[in-house]
Amino acid sequence: DTEVTQTPKHLVMGMTNKKSLKCEQHMGHRAMYWYKQKAKKPPELMFVYSYEKLSINESVPSRFSPECPNSSLLNLHLHALQPEDSALYLCASSLVGNEQFFGPGTRLTVL
Amino acid sequence: ELKVEQNPLFLSMQEGKNYTIYCNYSTTSDRLYWYRQDPGKSLESLFVLLSNGAVKQEGRLMASLDTKARLSTLHITAAVHDLSATYFCAVERTGNQFYFGTGTSLTVIP
Repeated sequence: DTEVTQTPKHLVMGMTNKKSLKCEQHMGHRAMYWYKQKAKKPPELMFVYSYEKLSINESVPSRFSPECPNSSLLNLHLHALQPEDSALYLCASSLVGNEQFFGPGTRLTVL
Repeated sequence: ELKVEQNPLFLSMQEGKNYTIYCNYSTTSDRLYWYRQDPGKSLESLFVLLSNGAVKQEGRLMASLDTKARLSTLHITAAVHDLSATYFCAVERTGNQFYFGTGTSLTVIP
């Protein structure tokens, strides 16, 4: 299996909702990432897990909460989001120190 | 703070022509990556450049890395319409921190 999967593909949520984005890979990669990408902008790194250790991007608001249940799974829990959080959320994985493989993304709309 | 800049930001070129996209970064890094993104899609890995002087080629695309100049180039030879996309370079820092360039939106015109 040489792909990164993400669910759901599309998500519409209100500002009071709680939802989760899911990411899975079975390539044996020990680094997994969450990115946020706004239209016509580069991806912005949000969180990195390396050997299940979290590196936090300090500019990420606490309404985003990552979780890495095991080396193959990565979740992003969303709570009390704002309309400006609407974006494409990309998950990626890699061998440590190697190229990243990206999932198809979740397109999130916050109403 | 690591800055990664690409130029041009927008590139419109005719089929059959050659052109180069430049990627400059502000601090030392020995690893540089190039990705392609089609509209509404995710990112696809094109090249991994792991050392000074590295050169990789795939089809009409060739990437190179000069770590002393902190510069990578993506050269397009005899462009075809299928190459229309946004191209990003990315620099890796320790701790698996990847920083993406501003992106170059390429349109190849028949």
